[in-house]
Formats: sequence, structure tokens, C-alpha cells
Amino acid sequence: DAGVIQSPRHEVTEMGQEVTLRCKPISGHNSLFWYRQTMMRGLELLIYFNNNVPIDDSGMPEDRFSAKMPNASFSTLKIQPSEPRDSAVYFCASSRTSGLPYEQYFGPGTRLTVT
Amino acid sequence: RKEVEQDPGPFNVPEGATVAFNCTYSNSASQSFFWYRQDCRKEPKLLMSVYSSGNEDGRFTAQLNRASQYISLLIRDSKLSDSATYLCAALFGNQFYFGTGTSLTVIP
Repeated sequence: DAGVIQSPRHEVTEMGQEVTLRCKPISGHNSLFWYRQTMMRGLELLIYFNNNVPIDDSGMPEDRFSAKMPNASFSTLKIQPSEPRDSAVYFCASSRTSGLPYEQYFGPGTRLTVT
Repeated sequence: RKEVEQDPGPFNVPEGATVAFNCTYSNSASQSFFWYRQDCRKEPKLLMSVYSSGNEDGRFTAQLNRASQYISLLIRDSKLSDSATYLCAALFGNQFYFGTGTSLTVIP
């Protein structure tokens, strides 16, 4: 079975440019999570969706970040405009929400570098 | 206070040693707990879920102590390939809270 799919795997962009990260969750999973990981701050939850609806976006750093989930099989995280401090690895993860425990599975991540 | 806390280590142990990690959580209503393994420049991968009665998977044993609000991971007969960062996670509602990870290096 395919796991969580993310694209691109690497992104290098200049400050001020728009960046769009993409995620396809595991089929049948109805919760989707976007995380950011850096050496300094570890793994931070940015936003999560349940049944395509954003439930908690309190981790989104600021208005430059936005996320959408137009359907059950696709989500995007957009940064506009990007800044060097946004450089990090961005992970998407998915889980189901029926029948504990809700095990969460991560995609391979997008390594973002903003110069 | 963070919802989930771990000793970052690093833990450097010889091959064949037994090593244990603990992880504390602050929300007593947390429903489920997990251990993840993360290799350098890779995504976290689910190692095992932690059940109330404790569970074992080969050389790995996970325990949950609800009274003291911690989970533990024991690795027996450690291998070089066990070198990684181990993250614990607690589920509350639909949200997962991760620790910052404990770094393990197994030395030949």
C-alpha cells in the first residue's frame, strides 16, 4: 500500500517567492497533519484537518502560511512570501479516527531552503 | 510546560547493551501513546503503539504508567542499526503531541 506522498522532496527558493507543498494522505485516513521540523525547535504541529476541515491551525506561524484540503486525498501548504527562517523540513502525516489507537504515519517530508 | 517531555540524550551505548528511555506527558486524559524512530534526514516511522498492559515486539518493550504519567521504551541486545532518534507521542482528542526525541548511538 502507498504511504503518505509528499512533493516536492526538495525545494530551494529565494526569499519572497511563493512555495507550495503538496500531500496525499493514506487512502482511508480522515485526519491529516502538517508539521515543521528544525534542529532548534524539533517537530512542531502547524495545522491539522479532520474530514477535510481545518480543526486547529494555532501552530501556523503567521499569515504567510496557509493550508487547504479540498478533498480527502489532497492537501497543500503554502508560504507566501517565503523567508529564510522558513527553512525546515515539512512533514505531512495522516491517521484514521476510528478504533483506537489512531496511529499516525508520516510522509518523507519536503526539505525547504529559502535563500 | 510541554505536553510531552523527553531527555534528549545523547545515549551512547555499546552493542549488546540494554537501554531505556522515558517520556512524561502532562495531560492525564491522553488516550494513546506511541514510540517513533527517526533516522537522520528521514521521516519519523512508527515503532510501536503503547498499550496499557505493556507490549513487546522482539527486542523492544514499551510500558505505560498512567499513575505517574510516563511511558518507557526498553531496547535489549542493542544493535548498531538501532542508532537513531526515538520520539514519543501522546494522543489527546485527534491531536498528537510529540516529544523532542532522544538520540541513541550504539557503539561497536
